[in-house]
Amino acid sequence: SQQGEEDPQALSIQEGENATMNCSYKTSINNLQWYRQNSGRGLVHLILIRSNEREKHSGRLRVTLDTSKKSSSLLITASRAADTASYFCATDGWGKLIFGTGTRLQVFP
Amino acid sequence: GAVVSQHPSWVICKSGTSVKIECRSLDFQATTMFWYRQFPKQSLMLMATSNEGSKATYEQGVEKDKFLINHASLTLSTLTVTSAHPEDSSFYICSATSSGGGDTQYFGPGTRLTVL
Repeated sequence: SQQGEEDPQALSIQEGENATMNCSYKTSINNLQWYRQNSGRGLVHLILIRSNEREKHSGRLRVTLDTSKKSSSLLITASRAADTASYFCATDGWGKLIFGTGTRLQVFP
Repeated sequence: GAVVSQHPSWVICKSGTSVKIECRSLDFQATTMFWYRQFPKQSLMLMATSNEGSKATYEQGVEKDKFLINHASLTLSTLTVTSAHPEDSSFYICSATSSGGGDTQYFGPGTRLTVL
């Protein structure tokens, strides 16, 4: 399977703490994207990082990309209860998205 | 902007019947639409890619005669699950990219299919 792996599979933290999720993939990529999915809902695009970028920020989100290790990380700072959701990385191999296995994040108030 | 809708949001049907799911781009022209399937607590798996006016490209292991995809206009794609069986019960999600919209796929809210 070409599907990427994410870890941890599940993460529980308190509000205000930071949450870090990691993604590893197998093939060469054009870009890597992170999505959020609330239970039973569609996906919300969070951030896209291109293969020639190493780090990107968007609000409380920080994404890193290491193409030599074929890995990426998503950091959510100062988490809120509303951040509770599943987070997926997705690699873009020339127009097709291949999703990782996902991390279920629970933020307790 | 870049809103994608799906209809219906959920459907329950009897085994052996066919179900049609619509995916619409509301405020942009979608040159390419994608259909994904997601089983409970699992990730999204790409089923097929469709470009307006041409036949869909199916991923390995997806039966094209069972999952019929039509992309007749730049704002509408349909997925028909033919002769549905309980193992087809899943969450079906579509996404769309716009011409000139870069690499971002915009996702619909999903359709929950339950086959009894």
